[in-house]
Amino acid sequence: YELTQPPSVSVAPGQTGTISCGGNNIRSKSVHWYQQRPGQAPVLVIYNDVDRPSGIPERLSGSNSGNTATLTISRVEAGDEADYYCQVWDSNTDYRVFGGGTKLTVL
Amino acid sequence: QVQLVESGGGLVKAGGSLRLSCVGSGFAFSDYYLNWVRQAPGKGLEWISFISTRGTAIQYADSMKGRFTISRDNDKNSVFLQMNNLRADDTAVYYCAREGRGQWLDHWGQGTLVTVSS
Repeated sequence: YELTQPPSVSVAPGQTGTISCGGNNIRSKSVHWYQQRPGQAPVLVIYNDVDRPSGIPERLSGSNSGNTATLTISRVEAGDEADYYCQVWDSNTDYRVFGGGTKLTVL
Repeated sequence: QVQLVESGGGLVKAGGSLRLSCVGSGFAFSDYYLNWVRQAPGKGLEWISFISTRGTAIQYADSMKGRFTISRDNDKNSVFLQMNNLRADDTAVYYCAREGRGQWLDHWGQGTLVTVSS
């Protein structure tokens, strides 16, 4: 199973940024999202398409429909600048699959 | 708080072996699946392997099968990754990560760097 993300997304501070994650009938899977700031380990920011772990701001939200899952970051801040990865579980192979990652740049 | 600490990385020649370790604390280690994930310099995340709570279920990414072996010791709150016949393209930061109920990775270690010289 393959996940496709855009390599980069740019957004101005205070605006809304969206990062897509494409996969065949991805709506049938649960999608998870990770944020990785430079030099740091990844952090889970969204799980099960829409849920946020404790401590993750409500500005980050997720959705999943058709062949595309989306991470939305509202009121973007400089601290949101990071790489973002989507991930699913492929039940056919029992693999955990990552997308290629998207670099979010805050202008 | 939940902590995962990897060790065992370093510089190794192509064809050599390394054994990575990851010690968990702050949670019931034996109740969780564990994963290894790696990241080559400047590249994205690549899933390597998972191991179930008692080690009865294990899976590897295709490119790791036959060279990498995952194991765990619940008495020592540890998970291991034995890596054999290493290649230059195995150069990466290796992370261990705890898995939540729905196959998401909810806590990660800080990683250990493996450098394979050719």
